[in-house]
Amino acid sequence: AQSVTQLDSQVPVFEEAPVELRCNYSSSVSVYLFWYVQYPNQGLQLLLKYLSGSTLVKGINGFEAEFNKSQTSFHLRKPSVHISDTAEYFCAVSNLQGGSEKLVFGKGTKLTVNP
Amino acid sequence: DSGVTQTPKHLITATGQRVTLRCSPRSGDLSVYWYQQSLDQGLQFLIHYYNGEERAKGNILERFSAQQFPDLHSELNLSSLELGDSALYFCASSATGELFFGEGSRLTVL
Repeated sequence: AQSVTQLDSQVPVFEEAPVELRCNYSSSVSVYLFWYVQYPNQGLQLLLKYLSGSTLVKGINGFEAEFNKSQTSFHLRKPSVHISDTAEYFCAVSNLQGGSEKLVFGKGTKLTVNP
Repeated sequence: DSGVTQTPKHLITATGQRVTLRCSPRSGDLSVYWYQQSLDQGLQFLIHYYNGEERAKGNILERFSAQQFPDLHSELNLSSLELGDSALYFCASSATGELFFGEGSRLTVL
């Protein structure tokens, strides 16, 4: 079985500061890793994904994440945040066991960007 | 706009009642996934259908059922509703492993 741990439930930062949202996963098989963002009263939008290849993945809105297999981590980073980045961020893991690409999500991290 | 349409957006009902949530996947996507999002449980996978057939089942209660029709739209049926069923229910569709989520149906059980 897979699981995802997002180590911080809330992260407050000031505008233009860097941010890192932490994610660790547990799985006995190879996994695919994802970060989704949820703005208030909206659905989830894919920020970036790691399927294979380069461990540094670049996504939308200036976000990037690094897959670290030895530490089973997939932390999300942005060098300079904007007020509009205020949202909840979800890390997720999936594999293709049983022919289903269902995602297992972490509990989420609420990012609040203050002026 | 993800291309995934969910109706209704909001639903308020009473305990013991039955509701049906509807999902239309993106054009051409054969897979439909249902998720429940609540404050205490977070995002929980409920069920996955692929081209009309159940492919995977998660933490779905026996009071809940789903199906995917020949036109690929899906319905999630929730019966004997309890206060704890109040949540946001998301549908997602996929074709190549990436899930695209609808905006959700917010269910409030009073």
